[in-house]
Amino acid sequence: EPEVTQTPSHQVTQMGQEVILRCVPISNHLYFYWYRQILGQKVEFLVSFYNNEISEKSEIFDDQFSVERPDGSNFTLKIRSTKLEDSAMYFCASRERSSVYEQYFGPGTRLTVT
Amino acid sequence: ELKVEQNPLFLSMQEGKNYTIYCNYSTTSDRLYWYRQDPGKSLESLFVLLSNGAVKQEGRLMASLDTKARLSTLHITAAVHDLSATYFCAVGGYKLSFGAGTTVTVRA
Repeated sequence: EPEVTQTPSHQVTQMGQEVILRCVPISNHLYFYWYRQILGQKVEFLVSFYNNEISEKSEIFDDQFSVERPDGSNFTLKIRSTKLEDSAMYFCASRERSSVYEQYFGPGTRLTVT
Repeated sequence: ELKVEQNPLFLSMQEGKNYTIYCNYSTTSDRLYWYRQDPGKSLESLFVLLSNGAVKQEGRLMASLDTKARLSTLHITAAVHDLSATYFCAVGGYKLSFGAGTTVTVRA
């Protein structure tokens, strides 16, 4: 069964460093998302991406964040200068073009900023 | 801004008994999703509810949607240990707004 994959599973970085989180969505899906979940809290929408551009972004997704689909299969989230409060689980999700709008989530990348 | 409220936030269940988790949301939506999350794991899709009056069942779980009341329920029948997890409802279409989650613990 097709699934969304994410790498790495855990990333530890120092404050101020850049990180890139990678996702491979399900191959026939057209809509891509990043969500984050701070430990013990709810899942929060960050950004949606369709047709090679951002469709919508939340207040969390400030200038320190960017997304890219560099090669037609990967979907990346870059944080330019990490802060302690960026520590969270980051989930990638994708969905196909359908009226169901069901999103399929990857296993997540746990980002720890020290 | 769409607000999604779940209650209870914590639910200690006794094996064999029935329980209900409630999900209220603030603005009109005809799409509601239930996910399960095990500790440290991703979100597993349980149900997709697409219309008023929709009811779906899988094993001991049954979900329903009342779009007029802006309410969905997740009913657990005869709880068993392997249902221990956090359950999230999420509302929306293009992007999802999640509830805070209900952490379920099933005790013998």
